[in-house]
Formats: sequence, structure tokens, C-alpha cells
Amino acid sequence: GAGVSQSPRYKVTKRGQDVALRCDPISGHVSLYWYRQALGQGPEFLTYFNYEAQQDKSGLPNDRFSAERPEGSISTLTIQRTEQRDSAMYRCASSLAPGINEQFFGPGTRLTVL
Amino acid sequence: AQSVTQLDSHVSVSEGTPVLLRCNYSSSYSPSLFWYVQHPNKGLQLLLKYTSAATLVKGINGFEAEFKKSETSFHLTKPSAHMSDAAEYFCVVTSYNTDKLIFGTGTRLQVFP
Repeated sequence: GAGVSQSPRYKVTKRGQDVALRCDPISGHVSLYWYRQALGQGPEFLTYFNYEAQQDKSGLPNDRFSAERPEGSISTLTIQRTEQRDSAMYRCASSLAPGINEQFFGPGTRLTVL
Repeated sequence: AQSVTQLDSHVSVSEGTPVLLRCNYSSSYSPSLFWYVQHPNKGLQLLLKYTSAATLVKGINGFEAEFKKSETSFHLTKPSAHMSDAAEYFCVVTSYNTDKLIFGTGTRLQVFP
């Protein structure tokens, strides 16, 4: 597609359930990034990939959060045993190559944990 | 560590008047700096970027920003506000030696007719 797409756009789940958030980057983009944005705050870095290799996962808050990009294209961010504090907007971005700073953002997935 | 501080959480201007959104950065090296805009229910869009070339950077929709190393500032300006400029604006710096972006807390711009 023309831009970064994310699905679902909205996800409501109950505490304790697992969720999987999907990101489809711009075709041909090597680097893919995940950010989390709480209400009234700027996005905060979670993790990123170059091709299929996870380069930095220092922003993942705890071991309930994981991400993968097995074929170097689509990525999935998984949150296990969700908690209410996980409620936020989850944003994905892609860039053409490492070191190319311009990141193109998707519309985000709004996660609500009840 | 790299960081940015957006000095105003809200800015209100009248249509046709100048816009100034302030940002100060902290970095132990020569940073790359960006401004992103977020319209309601839409994704983040890059307005402009500074990557150690010209210190005055022009972006889309008539916005520009000036990198001032002596003041560690990267303020965003526009000579004449338009109603469609109402949005949230984020000042962003790159983290040293990685590609991750560090965002400020945002400035909400309101434009009154």
C-alpha cells in the first residue's frame, strides 16, 4: 500500500487476555519501529527492526511485551496477560533504511484494557 | 542522554497571526531534530527536519524552524496561522547511535477565527 497500515485500529480486551497488534510497513522499507503513546503524551519508543532482526528492544516495558518481524516485512507486537496500564495508542513507523531518519507513521491501534 | 523539552503545552492564536512553538533540546552530540504534526484521529506527519545542513529549515505548509546551537533551541514558526493548522505538534530528537526517536510531550495549537 501507499503508507504504513496497522490493524486493528481499535482493540478492546479484558484484563488478562493476550493481544496481537499488526503493522504493515511501506513496501521496501527496511526499518520498522514500534512506539506507545499514552493520552496527553508524546510517543515512546518500544522496539525496532532492520529487516527481520530486532535491533533494540530496550523500550519494551516488561517481558509481557514481545515483537517479531519474521520475514522482514509485516511485524506483530504481542502483549500477554494484558493489564489496564497497557491501555494506550500503539504506533508503528517505517523508514527506507537504517540511518535514514525520516520515519513514516501508521494511524495507530488504540488499545483499551478493561 | 538526548531529550527535548516543549515549553508550552497549549498555544492559542488568531487566524492570520504568527505561530511560535518552542522547543529546547539536550544532546551530547550533534543531533538530528524534527517536528511532527498530529491531526485528530490521524497518524503523525513529518513537518520538517534538521540534519546538520542549513540551520534554517523549511517544511511543509509554510512552517519553518531554526536550529540555534548556542541556545539549544529548535523553535517552529509560521508567519500566518490557518484554521487547518490546529493540531498537536511534537518536537523530536534522534537518540545517539540508534535510529529511535525521542519525542517531546507535545504542544496543542488552537487557531481561532
